Amino acid sequence: AQTVTQSQPEMSVQEAETVTLSCTYDTSESNYYLFWYKQPPSRQMILVIRQEAYKQQNATENRFSVNFQKAAKSFSLKISDSQLGDTAMYFCAFMKPLGGNTDKLIFGTGTRLQVFP
Amino acid sequence: DVKVTQSSRYLVKRTGEKVFLECVQDMDHENMFWYRQDPGLGLRLIYFSYDVKMKEKGDIPEGYSVSREKKERFSLILESASTNQTSMYLCASSSPGTGQISGQPQHFGDGTRLSIL
Repeated sequence: AQTVTQSQPEMSVQEAETVTLSCTYDTSESNYYLFWYKQPPSRQMILVIRQEAYKQQNATENRFSVNFQKAAKSFSLKISDSQLGDTAMYFCAFMKPLGGNTDKLIFGTGTRLQVFP
Repeated sequence: DVKVTQSSRYLVKRTGEKVFLECVQDMDHENMFWYRQDPGLGLRLIYFSYDVKMKEKGDIPEGYSVSREKKERFSLILESASTNQTSMYLCASSSPGTGQISGQPQHFGDGTRLSIL
């Protein structure tokens, strides 16, 4: 069975600094997607970034980038120039196909990130 | 932007009551999902639906049922609420992709914090 592990329950970073959140996963699938979602205190879960396993190039979205190591089954999220608005719970998720155009997300337990001024 | 609306942000019910949580999406998505979120456990899939009147069990369906009579609406039903169902409930929707795996991100509502007394 696929599992997703986020080993850092809580992290903190000073404003303008860089922080990396770790995520590892376990799967026997060859093609899949990985996601990072952000859940601010206001609660709505927001997509941060997506990576397709077949693409070797690491995904980037503005200040957010990933370090995708397929062989190591590692998918870390780097936040550069941290801002107060980055304070949130971050979830790593693995997408597996269920067939019939439906996919399933398997979530890690989350990392709570606090950005300090 | 995709809008997923959950009918209540906070709900308090009593043990044994039948509870309905409603979710509506405005993007004509085929796929809809119900998760529960608990500290230290991340998000766990309760039920999902890939078409009107279709439903599939997720990882923790016991004690829950769902209804999808219209494409835009997906309801979660607690047949006889119990205290261990006190949790945050998140609804999500996504469009189907093509091929073996879609990679389509799921879009989430704001969540309903349900307390069973």
